[in-house]
Amino acid sequence: DTEVTQTPKHLVMGMTNKKSLKCEQHMGHRAMYWYKQKAKKPPELMFVYSYEKLSINESVPSRFSPECPNSSLLNLHLHALQPEDSALYLCASSQDGTGRGNTEAFFGQGTRLTVV
Amino acid sequence: KQEVTQIPAALSVPEGENLVLNCSFTDSAIYNLQWFRQDPGKGLTSLLLIQSSQREQTSGRLNASLDKSSGRSTLYIAASQPGDSATYLCAVNSNYQLIWGAGTKLIIKP
Repeated sequence: DTEVTQTPKHLVMGMTNKKSLKCEQHMGHRAMYWYKQKAKKPPELMFVYSYEKLSINESVPSRFSPECPNSSLLNLHLHALQPEDSALYLCASSQDGTGRGNTEAFFGQGTRLTVV
Repeated sequence: KQEVTQIPAALSVPEGENLVLNCSFTDSAIYNLQWFRQDPGKGLTSLLLIQSSQREQTSGRLNASLDKSSGRSTLYIAASQPGDSATYLCAVNSNYQLIWGAGTKLIIKP
């Protein structure tokens, strides 16, 4: 099983809403990642969790709040987003627990987020 | 600073042709290089991972090569099919992060 599962697939939210994106993997991977991807652009790294601890925050605004409840789950809590935050949000995982990406990265199918 | 370039940005070929996608990077100090496929509006599917010590990897009709010294990787697709139509991205693991190319949009015409 090389699957990373993201829910929901699509999300429309107002600028005053609070919502959460969820990501799950059962491959025993110890590093998990959140990426943001705008149309026709490559993914941009947002956060890296290594052994359930936040190891990299790429200067992401505080309206995005990651959480890693356990080694299989990764959440991204959203609050007071702006229309420019509309994008495809991708979760990934890799076996290497250092979060350095030395091993193969597996991606989920993404959550298409629209902020209105 | 590592930079990754993919050429061409777009490619359209008839079904059945063999084709090559190119990826170049500026700093040869890499851990590995990974090729991905992305269908419109979808996530990324890992195709091949080449460690820095390897020269090539093969999976089915796909073959990826790596020449670290020249900062180049190629993805060879044999006997292309319409289902191969997608955007192909390469990502270099450099300085503990994946550095991405902008992708090649591939269209295979039936």
